[in-house]
Amino acid sequence: DGGITQSPKYLFRKEGQNVTLSCEQNLNHDAMYWYRQDPGQGLRLIYYSQIVNDFQKGDIAEGYSVSREKKESFPLTVTSAQKNPTAFYLCASSSGGGVTEAFFGQGTRLTVV
Amino acid sequence: AQSVTQLGSHVSVSEGALVLLRCNYSSSVPPYLFWYVQYPNQGLQLLLKYTSAATLVKGINGFEAEFKKSETSFHLTKPSAHMSDAAEYFCAVSEFGTSYGKLTFGQGTILTVHP
Repeated sequence: DGGITQSPKYLFRKEGQNVTLSCEQNLNHDAMYWYRQDPGQGLRLIYYSQIVNDFQKGDIAEGYSVSREKKESFPLTVTSAQKNPTAFYLCASSSGGGVTEAFFGQGTRLTVV
Repeated sequence: AQSVTQLGSHVSVSEGALVLLRCNYSSSVPPYLFWYVQYPNQGLQLLLKYTSAATLVKGINGFEAEFKKSETSFHLTKPSAHMSDAAEYFCAVSEFGTSYGKLTFGQGTILTVHP
């Protein structure tokens, strides 16, 4: 089945550590996105990539980094510079070829302990 | 910059009653508009979308929404609520000409359905 796979579903990180969240899609979509969700704040865009080897900052990119070496994969690294990393992270993908919506993964809940 | 406002962070209805979730947007040009639903600890599922075709849009699970340019609104309705409709709902907008996944979201509305 086509879709977006995020792993792990739950992740615990000690303060000061970097951690990488995985996002893989087999929808053959060109564009991929990372959103952060906090209660009562909706979703906010962290980074997005419209093509392999290219990505742009979203609204809240500070303390995060990404790479896009393959069309299928868009990992997000939460660095120690992110002051408040505890949140629910959602990956999405979309295609410009007549499909007019984004598809979302099931999310990764990151908790700093 | 675009913004989306969802009026009411919590809405409570009785089973069988009308569901009305409000969404207003600000954009200099008519955008693309979306409603997504999220169940606890899950991703987002698209309910319906407006992409400059018909202004009354029908979606899944009996939901529909009407794009009203003069009011800059895109309210979500369902004639008769079901217990399974209890979830969090997000209105989102993407600007015409941008990538369809580059979305600005409202803060969400939690819908509770009482028996």
